[in-house]
Amino acid sequence: GENVEQHPSTLSVQEGDSAVIKCTYSDSASNYFPWYKQELGKGPQLIIDIRSNVGEKKDQRIAVTLNKTAKHFSLHITETQPEDSAVYFCAASTPSGGSYIPTFGRGTSLIVHP
Amino acid sequence: NAGVTQTPKFQVLKTGQSMTLQCAQDMNHNSMYWYRQDPGMGLRLIYYSASEGTTDKGEVPNGYNVSRLNKREFSLRLESAAPSQTSVYFCASNPREGTEAFFGQGTRLTVV
Repeated sequence: GENVEQHPSTLSVQEGDSAVIKCTYSDSASNYFPWYKQELGKGPQLIIDIRSNVGEKKDQRIAVTLNKTAKHFSLHITETQPEDSAVYFCAASTPSGGSYIPTFGRGTSLIVHP
Repeated sequence: NAGVTQTPKFQVLKTGQSMTLQCAQDMNHNSMYWYRQDPGMGLRLIYYSASEGTTDKGEVPNGYNVSRLNKREFSLRLESAAPSQTSVYFCASNPREGTEAFFGQGTRLTVV
């Protein structure tokens, strides 16, 4: 099955700095790559996603890049703010028996210091 | 529009007890999933249901059973709870393949 590796597990930055989280996946059939943000005590929520036919996507301070050849994708957050502090998960969606199953990385705890 | 609703939010079980975690979505989604979240392990898939009437095992199915009661509801059952099943359980749904998954608020389960 699909295997998603995510790094780093913890990332500490100063407010205003940029943060980058990287993920790799193993199954070349994966074609949908969402990123989720999980705040304390809540379920993960989608913040941005990218499909395999696109190399980059941006939404205000958040951007995601995808390199299909190398099987890796990254989340970039610019001008970080304290409210960006949360756990971030990457995922790869892979076809399996007629369905597409999201497989998640282990998460990155982002801490933004004021 | 409630989205994905999980009950209960918290539960403490004794080893060997059984219980069912309930999940319902009101978005008319076809696919539903049960994940468990443990520190440092991310979200691991227990079972999923691609559509009403079908269920399949995920990465960590041992000790669990599921029922897709109808299109809205997908329950997770622990027949004989073990301390290793102490975790936070998330239910999720999405309308079709390759789309955003919507998550419930989670059930924090402790088995003593």
